[in-house]
This record gives sequence, structure tokens and C-alpha cells, in this order.
Amino acid sequence: EIVLTQSPGTLSLSPGERATLSCRASQSISSSYLAWYQQRPGQAPRLLIYGASSRATGIPDRFSGSGSGSDFTLTISRLEPEDFAVYYCQQYGSSITFGQGTRLEIK
Amino acid sequence: EVQLLESGGGLVQPGGSLRLSCAASGFTFSTYAMSWVRQAPGKGLEWVSGISASGGSTYYADSVKGRFTISRDKSKNTLYLQMNRLRGEDTAVYYCAKQQLVLNSWFDPWGQGTLVTVSS
Repeated sequence: EIVLTQSPGTLSLSPGERATLSCRASQSISSSYLAWYQQRPGQAPRLLIYGASSRATGIPDRFSGSGSGSDFTLTISRLEPEDFAVYYCQQYGSSITFGQGTRLEIK
Repeated sequence: EVQLLESGGGLVQPGGSLRLSCAASGFTFSTYAMSWVRQAPGKGLEWVSGISASGGSTYYADSVKGRFTISRDKSKNTLYLQMNRLRGEDTAVYYCAKQQLVLNSWFDPWGQGTLVTVSS
């Protein structure tokens, strides 16, 4: 099973700042089969990025994904108030597993 | 608009059974793989089970293998999860989610979830 480790566990930033979230896999993920999700309190997760770097429909361009192999990054260029939430990465190259999440909180 | 609506959650005693349903609309249901993903209270996401577009292939997490059964009815555009021999650690919100043509894919969109509580 591929284990995904997200860091940091919690990230405290202010609106307008840049956020960088990391997702590291225990082994290389084939074909960059990695996705990112946002989950706001009391809501279902929402797809942000698939294929490591492709934005899902309707996702603002301040969200971007990068990386390959076993190291991946989600970047939010300028934080809006609605971006403070929990973010999960998911790999689908070998079965399906999720990272434990990064909580993005207002500083 | 793609919509997924789960139902069937509730309180059940350890060792009991429950069947979850997920009514799909807004897309050609028989063309896409589907999965169930759960989230224990205050915890992260755990993939539970997936089914191919045709229904001919099913997959399970080790934690539920032999106890849960996933199925789909294309005439009703509905996904199911039969849960037997339930344990306390199965307590979670259960989401159904649409995938792509194949199971090795991302989830988009997700339903709103249904809460399953296993307790005496």
C-alpha cells in the first residue's frame, strides 16, 4: 500500500499570503496519479486538482498542483477567506489511498 | 448537473447490518466507476470500496473485506453498500463518489454523506 504523508499538519497564514502544502508518497506514484481535495467544515470534499497538475472544472487559477514521482505540492497563490479548510491528497496509481490532511487556518 | 444523494445511514448495534444507497442523476450512470469513501468523526478520509462501470469488478479495503458488499443497479441509477457484522470502528460519514471510466481515478463529485453510528 502506498502511504501518503502530508505536511505540515497545520498551516497558519493570513489572507493574501501564499500557501504551500506538501504530499510525499512512500513509493513513486505511476503517471502522476495524484489528486487534491478541499474540505470545509460540515461539507463533503471537493476536487481541486487531478493528474498532479490539472485543475478541476470551476477551480480558481490561484490553485495549482505540481510534482512527480513521490513528491507533490499544492500551492494557493493568494489566500482568500474561503480557502481556509482541510486539504487532502489522494493517489490512484496503486489502489487508492489518502493523506492524513493539512489544516489551513487563519493566522 | 451531476448529483449524488446518499441514504440509509443510522444507529446500529455492533454485529448488525445496514444498507446504504446512493441515487445518481445528471450523468450516464452505467459509464462511470463509483466508490464509497468514509470519514470517522474528526478523522481523515478512507476509501472503502469501488465498483467498475459495468459492475463486473469490485474492490474493497482490507478493513471491510468479507463484511461489506458493493453493488449497482443501472436501471435505478443507484449505488449500494451492504454492510454486515458492523463494528464500532465502522462509525463514520459514508460518501459515495463518482469516478472516471476506470476505478484508478479521482473522485468528482461527492455526495453529501450519510452518517453510520455503530454503538450499543
